[in-house]
Amino acid sequence: DVKVTQSSRYLVKRTGEKVFLECVQDMDHENMFWYRQDPGLGLRLIYFSYDVKMKEKGDIPEGYSVSREKKERFSLILESASTNQTSMYLCASSPTLGTGGRLGYGYTFGSGTRLTVV
Amino acid sequence: QQQVKQSPQSLIVQKGGISIINCAYENTAFDYFPWYQQFPGKGPALLIAIRPDVSEKKEGRFTISFNKSAKQFSLHIMDSQPGDSATYFCAASFGNTGKLIFGQGTTLQVKP
Repeated sequence: DVKVTQSSRYLVKRTGEKVFLECVQDMDHENMFWYRQDPGLGLRLIYFSYDVKMKEKGDIPEGYSVSREKKERFSLILESASTNQTSMYLCASSPTLGTGGRLGYGYTFGSGTRLTVV
Repeated sequence: QQQVKQSPQSLIVQKGGISIINCAYENTAFDYFPWYQQFPGKGPALLIAIRPDVSEKKEGRFTISFNKSAKQFSLHIMDSQPGDSATYFCAASFGNTGKLIFGQGTTLQVKP
């Protein structure tokens, strides 16, 4: 019944390391999203993708990049990890509904990756 | 203008009581307002959602009240149960952007 899978539940990385967070969905959804969750700040959008090889910046893209080579997989990359990137990272996917590509509905989230940068 | 402001940050309710969480927004282009529920160790899951053409939507013990003129919406949990203890997020989106803007979250504890 698992629909959105994030490859790691917990990660500990050192400052300056390049970090890859992987997300795979099995629902054939067009749209995928990366959020980070911090206490008191809610969920903030980092990057999203409407289609393979397409990406758009969210509200806090600095220090991050993404890759979507296949429809089911969306990777978040921390180019040079810093301590202020210690957070819970959540991946989500959603279908494109109806004519005109109505979006924003039916998000399915993964269980999250808790990343600690030391 | 893209923000969704949620309150309170935390809430303690006795079993059987009513839990109320409020959200406010500025962008009148928002046209979809979902609520998500998150249990510890899990990702958020869609609980209930509303479009601005209705003022209330009810699903079981969960009700969304929507006030378009005040640009506010709220989640009411009737007969709150310990199993409702979780973090709740309101959100909003508009048009075809597909982006959900989330509130800050409310941690609800229902005491037995």
